Amino acid sequence: KNEVEQSPQNLTAQEGEFITINCSYSVGISALHWLQQHPGGGIVSLFMLSSGKKKHGRLIATINIQEKHSSLHITASHPRDSAVYICAVSKTGNQFYFGTGTSLTVIP
Amino acid sequence: GAVVSQHPSWVICKSGTSVKIECRSLDFQATTMFWYRQFPKQSLMLMATSNEGSKATYEQGVEKDKFLINHASLTLSTLTVTSAHPEDSSFYICSALDRGGGPTDTQYFGPGTRLTVL
Repeated sequence: KNEVEQSPQNLTAQEGEFITINCSYSVGISALHWLQQHPGGGIVSLFMLSSGKKKHGRLIATINIQEKHSSLHITASHPRDSAVYICAVSKTGNQFYFGTGTSLTVIP
Repeated sequence: GAVVSQHPSWVICKSGTSVKIECRSLDFQATTMFWYRQFPKQSLMLMATSNEGSKATYEQGVEKDKFLINHASLTLSTLTVTSAHPEDSSFYICSALDRGGGPTDTQYFGPGTRLTVL
């Protein structure tokens, strides 16, 4: 069983919709990360969380340490948000363990 | 934010040749860098952890003699795929750890290198 599970695997939304991607993990972590991978392959770090909630523009990330669960929300989604969103956890030593990613397509 | 570069961004080579991929942290010193491999429609798989001035730590199942890692300076780590074969074709991504002195370290990813072995 993967240490990090994401859902859904694939998501198609209409432009403007509110989007939620979920991540559950089964191990003790020092931080949880949300990453965005564009079709060309480059990866951008969106958030690093160890507790609570963070917001950046239209993106919101939350984490519940007790439940070992995190969500990434996108408000007013736009076609340029189309990408693969990856949840990753870091344990001691800063090694990452990755979820399988959620492929998001936002249709105009 | 900090930038990590990779070179080349893509490479095509013949079976049996060796390919070197460079990972550079452009505006910070990275004592630790990570090398990942990603197959199509799959998540990243950690191959090894590269520490400046010491031997890399390889994940289980990764052949250290096949994937040579050198981290000779605080801004450069290299991954050499030796005697490449078609099954080595993949997307290789590096990341660099910025120990900025704050409460948490930040990991920055390179843009990746797509290797195709014919």
